[in-house]
Amino acid sequence: DTGVSQDPRHKITKRGQNVTFRCDPISEHNRLYWYRQTLGQGPEFLTYFQNEAQLEKSRLLSDRFSAERPKGSFSTLEIQRTEQGDSAMYLCASSLDVREEQYFGPGTRLTVT
Amino acid sequence: SQQGEEDPQALSIQEGENATMNCSYKTSINNLQWYRQNSGRGLVHLILIRSNEREKHSGRLRVTLDTSKKSSSLLITASRAADTASYFCATDDKIIFGKGTRLHILP
Repeated sequence: DTGVSQDPRHKITKRGQNVTFRCDPISEHNRLYWYRQTLGQGPEFLTYFQNEAQLEKSRLLSDRFSAERPKGSFSTLEIQRTEQGDSAMYLCASSLDVREEQYFGPGTRLTVT
Repeated sequence: SQQGEEDPQALSIQEGENATMNCSYKTSINNLQWYRQNSGRGLVHLILIRSNEREKHSGRLRVTLDTSKKSSSLLITASRAADTASYFCATDDKIIFGKGTRLHILP
């Protein structure tokens, strides 16, 4: 079995550039979540999907952020016109269903210079 | 605002001792979960306790839940160096995390 995987693990980009991250959940998991974590803080919820439907988006998810899960399997998180404040660890998690434990990927560390 | 708030923010104990950390939350929940995060790594799910449960065990872990006080505690018995990590509680399916308790096990 493979757990949740994320790609890339690290991304360094210049301010103003667009970046896209990918998350592959555990295969039978219906729910997929995106979080952002900065140093010394707990993960902050960004958005989640039930299969291919995006059910909720946090206010943290500005217009520059978009997430998709086109076939209900992998998901992408795109950040347009990156800003230095976007530097963080972006975590993806999946769960079998609602109210079940979440399994986290290793995260993508984004550094915006 | 964050739903779960862990206490203490940091804890240092000797190897072999027990570690207890607490979590308080604000609204009604269906379940509460505890996670561990080693430095710079992803989160690992430790244990889930449902709102109709009062206590749950898993290996060296014991979790209690008091819904009347909206609080939970995580006890790690016979601590080991490998337990050094940050511990987070989170509530319900959207998972709202606190800032965590940083546990440091001293040799």
